[in-house]
Amino acid sequence: IAGITQAPTSQILAAGRRMTLRCTQDMRHNAMYWYRQDLGLGLRLIHYSNTAGTTGKGEVPDGYSVSRANTDDFPLTLASAVPSQTSVYFCASSTSGTSGPNEQFFGPGTRLTVL
Amino acid sequence: GQNIDQPTEMTATEGAIVQINCTYQTSGFNGLFWYQQHAGEAPTFLSYNVLDGLEEKGRFSSFLSRSKGYSYLLLKELQMKDSASYLCAVRDSNYQLIWGAGTKLIIKP
Repeated sequence: IAGITQAPTSQILAAGRRMTLRCTQDMRHNAMYWYRQDLGLGLRLIHYSNTAGTTGKGEVPDGYSVSRANTDDFPLTLASAVPSQTSVYFCASSTSGTSGPNEQFFGPGTRLTVL
Repeated sequence: GQNIDQPTEMTATEGAIVQINCTYQTSGFNGLFWYQQHAGEAPTFLSYNVLDGLEEKGRFSSFLSRSKGYSYLLLKELQMKDSASYLCAVRDSNYQLIWGAGTKLIIKP
């Protein structure tokens, strides 16, 4: 079934630990995104990738890193987790271009708690 | 700065009509999106407007006025399953989405 998957579904992490959130899509979308969603705030873009081999910083990139070695995978790494990174993390993908909606499709999310 | 405003919460009755408003101030405009998000789930795409006017898709319609920086989502014949948050997002000059905080819609029988 075509779509976008994320792992793990949820995780409790001790502060200072390193953590990688995984994201895989099989829709052959060029563009991929990582967002965090916090209560009372809109989705905030952490990092994005317009195509394999390239990445860019979003609105809230500090403390996070990404890589895009191929079209399908876009992992997000927290090098040393802090409690303020407690959030729900969504990965998304879309076709790219300057015309048409190129709407984003979202994965099911990872609920991360940093203690 | 960039800003998307929408009401925090709205309540409506099953079978009725509800209009959810969204106003925006962004650096550039390359389209406006509405997404639906049920509690504990991922957002799903509802509609896209890039030109002024009304786009209709079944029970849902979305309107855009670029000169006013304004959009609304109209939901007709409300059903209990429409209870969800509705997210407004604008694609800016960098082709990135700027998101509102969402409007939680509560449907009462």
